Amino acid sequence: GENVGLHLPTLSVQEGDNSIINCAYSNSASDYFIWYKQESGKGPQFIIDIRSNMDKRQGQRVTVLLNKTVKHLSLQIAATQPGDSAVYFCAENLGGGSYIPTFGRGTSLIVHP
Amino acid sequence: DVKVTQSSRYLVKRTGEKVFLECVQDMDHENMFWYRQDPGLGLRLIYFSYDVKMKEKGDIPEGYSVSREKKERFSLILESASTNQTSMYLCASSLHRDMAAFFGQGTRLTVV
Repeated sequence: GENVGLHLPTLSVQEGDNSIINCAYSNSASDYFIWYKQESGKGPQFIIDIRSNMDKRQGQRVTVLLNKTVKHLSLQIAATQPGDSAVYFCAENLGGGSYIPTFGRGTSLIVHP
Repeated sequence: DVKVTQSSRYLVKRTGEKVFLECVQDMDHENMFWYRQDPGLGLRLIYFSYDVKMKEKGDIPEGYSVSREKKERFSLILESASTNQTSMYLCASSLHRDMAAFFGQGTRLTVV
């Protein structure tokens, strides 16, 4: 299938390393943020979310950090595995009643065995 | 688990054809979305719907229309397909504005 990872920022890591993927969001009124993983030829898959009243949330092997001061979101993946290779998108739900997720351009994560 | 199902994984259509892309979700979600995804451009919103028979234009609605006659089904229509509509089309649904949208597997449409 067509590689949606073309033209994207790329992060290359070794298996077992920790990965940090960053995202700058656009709207200071955004109050809900989501990270998605998209493998080649598939639709985006929900990983983890965080609301604006939190600055950190942990899942299984993943942690999302939110810094509202600088409008920055990060996804940390512990002990990265080859199966984590994918394009990762952050999405923000704008505040003020909006329910439309707005996506960043994505980061391509390549995990080397 | 939420399931969003798109009717086709791959489609090849001719220029000028009317094309229907179908999407069904099984979780009684209020909101449904159609995006297209192109390399280097990310996901761009075409149309969305927050209720049956309701629709709103997204960022790139030109050349497309939608239909939502039943809550679980959201159809994207290309009235007269053109080669610049060759793309990956993604359908998504969400229960509430403060909940993540869940995506289908995508339809790779090629217009020749």
